[in-house]
Amino acid sequence: DAGVIQSPRHEVTEMGQEVTLRCKPISGHNSLFWYRQTMMRGLELLIYFNNNVPIDDSGMPEDRFSAKMPNASFSTLKIQPSEPRDSAVYFCASRTGLAGGNEQFFGPGTRLTVL
Amino acid sequence: GESVGLHLPTLSVQEGDNSIINCAYSNSASDYFIWYKQESGKGPQFIIDIRSNMDKRQGQRVTVLLNKTVKHLSLQIAATQPGDSAVYFCAERSGSARQLTFGSGTQLTVLP
Repeated sequence: DAGVIQSPRHEVTEMGQEVTLRCKPISGHNSLFWYRQTMMRGLELLIYFNNNVPIDDSGMPEDRFSAKMPNASFSTLKIQPSEPRDSAVYFCASRTGLAGGNEQFFGPGTRLTVL
Repeated sequence: GESVGLHLPTLSVQEGDNSIINCAYSNSASDYFIWYKQESGKGPQFIIDIRSNMDKRQGQRVTVLLNKTVKHLSLQIAATQPGDSAVYFCAERSGSARQLTFGSGTQLTVLP
């Protein structure tokens, strides 16, 4: 059982560059969540998908952030252009759609540093 | 200048003692609660959950207590071990919502 897979694990980029974070949810899970974690704000939900459809993106900070889920096994979170205040750890989590399956399984995270 | 950020509550316990981590929630409509453990450099990991129709649930070395009257949740860890050192988050969910709302976390340090 591979769990949620995220890549890259670490990303260092310069302000203004485009950043793409990737996530592969657990096979069979139909909900996918993107979170951002910082010391200032803790763990924040950015967006979540159900059956590949974005359901709630109210946590996305601004238009520089976008997320897609082209199929059930892949999602991306893109930041364009990136800014130093975007530096954080970004987590992807997935959840089964089965009744009683409430637990979200988190990936290892991507640590993003924008210089 | 001084940096401003979340000041995580901290709890230090001796190895072998019991730990109690507390969490207050604000949404009276929340019907599901979950505790996660996050070790340094890793993603949050599920520990135990509880529905609002229960007031206690036990797992292996862990117990979650729910007091809906005062909107309070606690996690008890028996015989705390060094491997229990981590940040512990409570999270809540209301109704049919799929998203969880996370608390700010508590840093647990186990002393040898």
